[in-house]
Formats: sequence, C-alpha cells, structure tokens
Amino acid sequence: QVQLLESGPGLVKPSETLSLTCSVSGGSISVHYWGWIRQPPGKGLEWIGNIHSSGITNYNPSLKSRGTISVDTSKNEFSLAVTSVTAADTAVYFCVRLFNWQFDSWGRGTLVSVSS
Amino acid sequence: QSALTQPASVSGSPGQSITISCTGTSSDVGSYNYVSWYQQHPGKAPKLMIYDVTKRPSGVSNRFSGSKSGNTASLTISGLQGEDEADYYCTSYTSSNAWVFGGGTKLTVL
Repeated sequence: QVQLLESGPGLVKPSETLSLTCSVSGGSISVHYWGWIRQPPGKGLEWIGNIHSSGITNYNPSLKSRGTISVDTSKNEFSLAVTSVTAADTAVYFCVRLFNWQFDSWGRGTLVSVSS
Repeated sequence: QSALTQPASVSGSPGQSITISCTGTSSDVGSYNYVSWYQQHPGKAPKLMIYDVTKRPSGVSNRFSGSKSGNTASLTISGLQGEDEADYYCTSYTSSNAWVFGGGTKLTVL
C-alpha cells in the first residue's frame, strides 16, 4: 500500500514562492504518474498538475504557468513550487498518485496559508 | 476549463437511495470513460469510490455505483447509512490532457 506524505512551510508571504515536497513510501515513484491537488478552505478540489518519473508534466492552465512539479527518483519524492503567491493560493495541498486515470492514493494534506 | 456541475447538496434517509449528478461537456465527461468519484469526510483526504465511470476499488461497498449518459455522470448510493454523510466530488479527464473536478456535493443523511 503506497503512502504519501506532504511537507513544507505552513505560511508563505504574498509574492513569494510556495514549495512543498511529497515523500512516497511503499512503492517506487518510477511507476505511474504523481500529482498535486488543492482545496481552499471551505471550497472544492482543484487539480494542479501531474508528473511522471520521466519528467513528463501537465498542468492546470488556471495556474498561468506559476506552478512547477519536479521529481527526485533517488529520494522517491516529488515537489511542487508555485510562484508569486496571493491569498487565493491559501489551501490544503494534497499529493496524489495517478493510477491509470484516477487518483487512487492521497496524502493527508497540508495547509498552506499566504499572509504577510 | 470549467468545473463540472454538481448539485450543492442532496439528502436522504437511512436505507434510501440517492443519486448525485455530474454534468460536463463533450470535451470531458462526454468523450471519455475516465470519470471518478471521491468521498471526503471533514478534515480528511478524499477517498476514491468509483473509477472509469462504473468500477469500484477493492474495499468499497457495492452500495456505491456509477453510470454515465452523454455529458452527465452519476453516483448512486443505495441503502444509505450514517457513515455515508460526506462531501462527494466527481472528476473527469479532458481533451486538454487535464483533469477537472466538480464543485462538490454535500450529502446529508437525515
């Protein structure tokens, strides 16, 4: 059973870069796609993007190129960076495994607040 | 890409059946059998309940079923139980090589 665990700062200042890492255990990151999904407080889920260990990525156009997902196969982890953050980026961020066409494994989620 | 359309809330009594709809377009739900449904209890991560429109992951109760007609997918929960009270989200793969979620539906078990 693969397990995912998000880590990173819980508070980021406006205009700075949000950086999160997802550690994967119980399975190799070299198989399947991996991704990030976020949920603003009290709101619905929003897909951010996916990455394969080969480096292939795809992103939600709504991020307007502010988001970058990278993978480190040696550490069995992948990361998310969102630049120029605003209060609208405040959310619980979940890392996920994309198995075929569905998100079958989820991390617990980590709340990132954007505030000065 | 626009979010898929779900009712904001549905409710039912224990033992009853309810259906949650998820309406997209010909660029997502209507073109691909890659619709999945997720259950989310407060403060928890979502859990996969249905994938590929109709398939249930191992361990998910057979009270949960999925279907699709045209641009609308549906999740049906039969024999409602108190533990089913949660938020439910649909998602679909799209022609833009992206995924789009529905706005979510709050299920209340009366």
